[in-house]
Amino acid sequence: AQTVTQSQPEMSVQEAETVTLSCTYDTSESDYYLFWYKQPPSRQMILVIRQEAYKQQNATENRFSVNFQKAAKSFSLKISDSQLGDAAMYFCAIFSGSRLTFGEGTQLTVNP
Amino acid sequence: DAGITQSPRHKVTETGTPVTLRCHQTENHRYMYWYRQDPGHGLRLIHYSYGVKDTDKGEVSDGYSVSRSKTEDFLLTLESATSSQTSVYFCAISALPTGGSDTQYFGPGTRLTVL
Repeated sequence: AQTVTQSQPEMSVQEAETVTLSCTYDTSESDYYLFWYKQPPSRQMILVIRQEAYKQQNATENRFSVNFQKAAKSFSLKISDSQLGDAAMYFCAIFSGSRLTFGEGTQLTVNP
Repeated sequence: DAGITQSPRHKVTETGTPVTLRCHQTENHRYMYWYRQDPGHGLRLIHYSYGVKDTDKGEVSDGYSVSRSKTEDFLLTLESATSSQTSVYFCAISALPTGGSDTQYFGPGTRLTVL
């Protein structure tokens, strides 16, 4: 079994500032992938970023980057230069054994 | 955007009635999944399919059945709907086991209310 924990139910950030969302996970698998998904009010699940566990280099997608600490089983998401459109629910997820397991989500508010 | 549609997008039904939700993809992906989303629980896997007529249970499969007679369609059936099955249902697809293609892409969701 695998688990994902997001300890911050809500976070807020000022526009143009940087925010970090936390995620820890647990799995017995050696081969797995980690994801952050964004869910705006439209309800659509949108892939933000993906990290292969065998890669040491942290993934980056424009203003979004991760801090992947494999030994600590930590996978945080950093959003730089926050924009109003970043306001959404963010889900951390782990994929292994053909299954994707999600955390409970962090609601991000961006203040103008 | 991945070509995934779900129908219906909204449905209200009564306890005890059968309900079928449809997921349709145009990507010819092998894997298809059904999730439900409830407050405080994120998304939880109901069932998934790894090919035509090949399905397996997820963590919350009780009260649900699925069928996949064609690559492009994956049906989720509630044989006798209960109020606890009121939720938002998402379909997802992925191109496993091709290397690097484990990412799942999601449909727009179906909001189901069971009265």
